[in-house]
Amino acid sequence: GNSVTQMEGPVTLSEEAFLTINCTYTATGYPSLFWYVQYPGEGLQLLLKATKADDKGSNKGFEATYRKETTSFHLEKGSVQVSDSAVYFCALSDYKLSFGAGTTVTVRA
Amino acid sequence: GAVVSQHPSRVICKSGTSVKIECRSLDFQATTMFWYRQFPKQSLMLMATSNEGSKATYEQGVEKDKFLINHASLTLSTLTVTSAHPEDSSFYICSARVRQGDEAFFGQGTRLTVV
Repeated sequence: GNSVTQMEGPVTLSEEAFLTINCTYTATGYPSLFWYVQYPGEGLQLLLKATKADDKGSNKGFEATYRKETTSFHLEKGSVQVSDSAVYFCALSDYKLSFGAGTTVTVRA
Repeated sequence: GAVVSQHPSRVICKSGTSVKIECRSLDFQATTMFWYRQFPKQSLMLMATSNEGSKATYEQGVEKDKFLINHASLTLSTLTVTSAHPEDSSFYICSARVRQGDEAFFGQGTRLTVV
């Protein structure tokens, strides 16, 4: 079945550092891919999405490109802030919505 | 963005009793709703997928007679934990989406404690 493998972390960075969180997937067909974020004490919210190969999702300085050839959807941000501290989840959507393990990111001032 | 309301946010129940959790899409019609269980410092474990008017599809290892899911309308799904035991204590989260491939919107979760 479809699945998502995500770098688990935790990841600790200094402010303005570059962030990458790796995500690869296994799927039949052409699923949509998502990154969700969970800030401390809050529910999950969509960060960005891509619905087909080569699509780039972007939001709040984060980007991820749907790479069919490498079955990847890595999340990147060029300069993180303390407010980016959260848990990030990669997700795959077809009939079901399946999540990776989640990566806890802590950004220090 | 779209809002999904989940109630209650916290519930404590005695072992052997049943607990119902509601998930409502407030401003959109959700063809599909998902129920997850989240353990501390772990990811969301999909329990079941439910489509309006159909029986829920449960993931392997999830007891359908213990976790009863009803999706009677396009805006409401319920999860009933029957004969709850302490090992059922967890954080339960619902999400809803309009159609396959769309983003899903999440409720705030329910912290269930069985004593």
